[in-house]
Amino acid sequence: EDKVVQSPLSLVVHEGDTVTLNCSYEVTNFRSLLWYKQEKKAPTFLFMLTSSGIEKKSGRLSSILDKKELFSILNITATQTGDSAIYLCASDNTNAGKSTFGDGTTLTVKP
Amino acid sequence: DVKVTQSSRYLVKRTGEKVFLECVQDMDHENMFWYRQDPGLGLRLIYFSYDVKMKEKGDIPEGYSVSREKKERFSLILESASTNQTSMYLCASELTNTGELFFGEGSRLTVL
Repeated sequence: EDKVVQSPLSLVVHEGDTVTLNCSYEVTNFRSLLWYKQEKKAPTFLFMLTSSGIEKKSGRLSSILDKKELFSILNITATQTGDSAIYLCASDNTNAGKSTFGDGTTLTVKP
Repeated sequence: DVKVTQSSRYLVKRTGEKVFLECVQDMDHENMFWYRQDPGLGLRLIYFSYDVKMKEKGDIPEGYSVSREKKERFSLILESASTNQTSMYLCASELTNTGELFFGEGSRLTVL
């Protein structure tokens, strides 16, 4: 059975801190690893990672995939209160409809 | 921008009632999905569809059915709602096999 595990489940930091969110996966027919951010409403796409060791970056957020060790990390530097959200990690495999989600990490950034 | 619209943001139903949750996407995506999201359990796939009139069971299909009569519309049906179906329901669409999901804003269902 495909499995995606995120850690920590929740995290409280102060503005300006740097955080690292973890995602490990055990997935057959793995194709890509995706990160989403969910505030009050729908999850929104952050990154898709398909190749090992290549960092993807968007502003203060960055992510990298290790296909040998089967994990990914999402880094957020200089956190702001607007970064408070649930961060979801999902594995996508080559079988249609088989994105498997982790339970999410709830990040709270305090002023 | 891709838009995925779920018709009802909040619903309150009674046990045994039939519930329809509608989802419409405007980007001609082939694949559509229904997830439920519960605290501590993440997103769990209920059903998905990769073409009109096609449907596949996800991980937790029991107590649910779906309908896809048109490419843009994917409906989730609870034939006889039960209290354990109280949840947030998220619809998503995907351009075939790209992996990136576009989500609707969710339908929060409470079954009393």
